[in-house]
Amino acid sequence: GAVVSQHPSWVICKSGTSVKIECRSLDFQATTMFWYRQFPKQSLMLMATSNEGSKATYEQGVEKDKFLINHASLTLSTLTVTSAHPEDSSFYICSARDRLQETQYFGPGTRLLVL
Amino acid sequence: AQKVTQAQTEISVVEKEDVTLDCVYETRDTTYYLFWYKQPPSGELVFLIRRNSFDEQNEISGRYSWNFQKSTSSFNFTITASQVVDSAVYFCALSAVWTNAGKSTFGDGTTLTVKP
Repeated sequence: GAVVSQHPSWVICKSGTSVKIECRSLDFQATTMFWYRQFPKQSLMLMATSNEGSKATYEQGVEKDKFLINHASLTLSTLTVTSAHPEDSSFYICSARDRLQETQYFGPGTRLLVL
Repeated sequence: AQKVTQAQTEISVVEKEDVTLDCVYETRDTTYYLFWYKQPPSGELVFLIRRNSFDEQNEISGRYSWNFQKSTSSFNFTITASQVVDSAVYFCALSAVWTNAGKSTFGDGTTLTVKP
């Protein structure tokens, strides 16, 4: 099946720093990528939809200035958590949609811990 | 609006028992996809199945089977002869084609524990 990678797989940073997470579709082109956040023992919450070549669409309650999304190519989307705070600590998961199959393929996730 | 309900928060069974995970969905769209994903303790989401709204055939894949019933808006997942390795959180998800920009909505998940 299609493969989506995320980098880094985990990151620990100090409060106030910015963290960039990359999401790549390795063997298919993804015009749309999604970013989710998952807190412990909770479901996945969609943060934003990333479309190649256009601005991301954010879900209600998600600060677009804090969570910067860039979808620079058909295989790469990045999420930057700016001025991270401890409450941003979470598991961030991206997915890429293969439009031909209407299936989302998920990355392995990135665990962020902000001290 | 679309919604997915997984009423069972946690299920615990003994190895070799059969177990069914329930999923009920709501959508106004007539064209949609339903999914099941497995999330083991490692955190990575594993795709299990996708079913489109026009295909009500039940599906079997090894020990896994799925029962899709549009009349009751349900898409239940059964594991036959469960194994310890089946222990994970299972998510049901819905993606409407025309409404909601194709975004997926996830249920809250069911934590399955299979004891030896």
